[in-house]
Amino acid sequence: EAGVTQFPSHSVIEKGQTVTLRCDPISGHDNLYWYRRVMGKEIKFLLHFVKESKQDESGMPNNRFLAERTGGTYSTLKVQPAELEDSGVYFCASSQGQVEIGYTFGSGTRLTVV
Amino acid sequence: QKEVEQDPGPLSVPEGAIVSLNCTYSNSAFQYFMWYRQYSRKGPELLMYTYSSGNKEDGRFTAQVDKSSKYISLFIRDSQPSDSATYLCAKNSGYSTLTFGKGTMLLVSP
Repeated sequence: EAGVTQFPSHSVIEKGQTVTLRCDPISGHDNLYWYRRVMGKEIKFLLHFVKESKQDESGMPNNRFLAERTGGTYSTLKVQPAELEDSGVYFCASSQGQVEIGYTFGSGTRLTVV
Repeated sequence: QKEVEQDPGPLSVPEGAIVSLNCTYSNSAFQYFMWYRQYSRKGPELLMYTYSSGNKEDGRFTAQVDKSSKYISLFIRDSQPSDSATYLCAKNSGYSTLTFGKGTMLLVSP
């Protein structure tokens, strides 16, 4: 079974530019999550999709972040325009069934805004 | 006060030592407690979870939750160099969300 795939693995962009991160969940997993770790801080929840619907987006920092999940398959997270404080590692996870314990994380996208 | 507090370390031990990793939490709502292991440049990997209080053992790993003191522990027996990683405690904080500690970096030297 393929795991959760994220790309790019690393992205360096200038402040003001746009970046799109992609996540391919494990096939058949209805739940897809985005988390972020800013340097020196803990991993924090951004949002949760159930299939193509946003179940909870309470962790999204501001309206520069836009997440979509096309047809309940892969998801994208767009940051536009990027700011310096957006630098960090963005993790995607997916689960099926008991959500509290069933997460599988991807390896993350390391975003550096300069 | 952060919902989950964890000492970032690093914690350095010799091979074969017993390791104790600890977290405290503040919000008693929701009852799942988890330990994740994260190797460098990889995503967190679920190691163990417990529901409510008590102990759970899996091989060399034991997870313990003390609800009275709001304390979460992970014990590793006979630690190996391959156990060197960052260990993250987490608890569920909603229907589907997890709240993480900052993680403790463990270094096991041969």
